[in-house]
Amino acid sequence: KQEVTQIPAALSVPEGENLVLNCSFTDSAIYNLQWFRQDPGKGLTSLLLIQSSQREQTSGRLNASLDKSSGRSTLYIAASQPGDSATYLCAAKGLTGGGNKLTFGTGTQLKVEL
Amino acid sequence: GAGVSQSPRYKVAKRGQDVALRCDPISGHVSLFWYQQALGQGPEFLTYFQNEAQLDKSGLPSDRFFAERPEGSVSTLKIQRTQQEDSAVYLCASSVRGGRALYEQYFGPGTRLTVT
Repeated sequence: KQEVTQIPAALSVPEGENLVLNCSFTDSAIYNLQWFRQDPGKGLTSLLLIQSSQREQTSGRLNASLDKSSGRSTLYIAASQPGDSATYLCAAKGLTGGGNKLTFGTGTQLKVEL
Repeated sequence: GAGVSQSPRYKVAKRGQDVALRCDPISGHVSLFWYQQALGQGPEFLTYFQNEAQLDKSGLPSDRFFAERPEGSVSTLKIQRTQQEDSAVYLCASSVRGGRALYEQYFGPGTRLTVT
């Protein structure tokens, strides 16, 4: 059974700092790894999706990497802004055992302070 | 175009009541998913539809939970005889294709269910 872990659970940084969020998964047999943002009381907004054959994806100030063999993904946020404050979730889409579903981590709650 | 919509956004139910939660996926999306998100946790998979066929219901926590998508578009998640542990946000997602295809899932805003 796939298990996804995110570290740290919470993070507070000053505006302008570069930061890294970590995601690890136990089963490397995945189709893709997706990073989401969740604002309080809202649904999930997809940020980046990395296919299993890819090593990284970039969108603006965000860069996500994937190392399947070690079961790790990182989300790098450059020059953080207060508007980046949210909970960040990673999710793995598995190859086996119900390959349609996403298995989520518990999230990293990010606060970017002025 | 419009995204995934869910209704109601908030629902308060007394323990033992039945509730029905609705999901309108993005038009034309074949696949529809339901997830349950407890406070402070990541979403957990409940069930998956491809068109009107329910292909995976392995995540439904008990036989009190029932989902349907009779015409392959709108879906309803029904919870019978609600219990306090059912209190959570219920998220619906849709994607263009399903199966082994590598397509993104787009999420709705969720329905926050509180059972008192």
